[in-house]
Amino acid sequence: QPVVTQEPSFSVSPGGTVTLTCGLTSGSVSSSYYPSWYQQTPGQAPRALMYRTNSRSSGVPDRFSGSLLGNKAALTITGAQADDESDYYCVLYMGSGILVFGGGTKLTVL
Amino acid sequence: EMQLLESGGGLVQPGGSLRLSCSASGFTFTSYAMTWVRQTPGKGLEWVSTISASDANTYYADSVKGRFTISRDNSQSTLYLQMNSLRAEDTAVYYCAKRFGASASGSYLDCWGQGTQVTVSS
Repeated sequence: QPVVTQEPSFSVSPGGTVTLTCGLTSGSVSSSYYPSWYQQTPGQAPRALMYRTNSRSSGVPDRFSGSLLGNKAALTITGAQADDESDYYCVLYMGSGILVFGGGTKLTVL
Repeated sequence: EMQLLESGGGLVQPGGSLRLSCSASGFTFTSYAMTWVRQTPGKGLEWVSTISASDANTYYADSVKGRFTISRDNSQSTLYLQMNSLRAEDTAVYYCAKRFGASASGSYLDCWGQGTQVTVSS
């Protein structure tokens, strides 16, 4: 089964822009994998941010955006805020009902 | 407001069994596929199982296939996960999540419960 890759950690300055990526150990991520993104803070359940590559979940501010960049899915945060400091997970649909999560990216805002 | 509330977690010995429940409210339960996801201590998320809205189709991660059974009671708006032959590596917080659609296709989980802790230890 393919492994979904994410940067283990990233840091961004307040007000800055950061792009987190979601790739595959073999092959390219395309829209047919229905990439989605989730945000999780310590002790909390994950919260849906983005689905079908670039559709924002209800209530998610428009400084979060999704895209395909090269052979990966990407989540961009524009104008990062302190409360964006979280773990971010991407997940890909592999067909036959199977989901595979990436290992997550720990984002620090400092 | 959509809500999911898990219950049934606890401490169980290796080889034992546990049944998790997830009570749904605020949406038409019968219209959506449902999924279980787990998170091991300090680690990432792992998809466990999905059941279609009609209950006709079920899907499992290789790590739990043959040991776990997902089911649903649409009359009670409740999702279940029967876990047998539990192992230490099954220790995790188990979340139920609502899929965005009736089938298991796609990866959008638009509502999550708060999770229930399962600990497998002697």
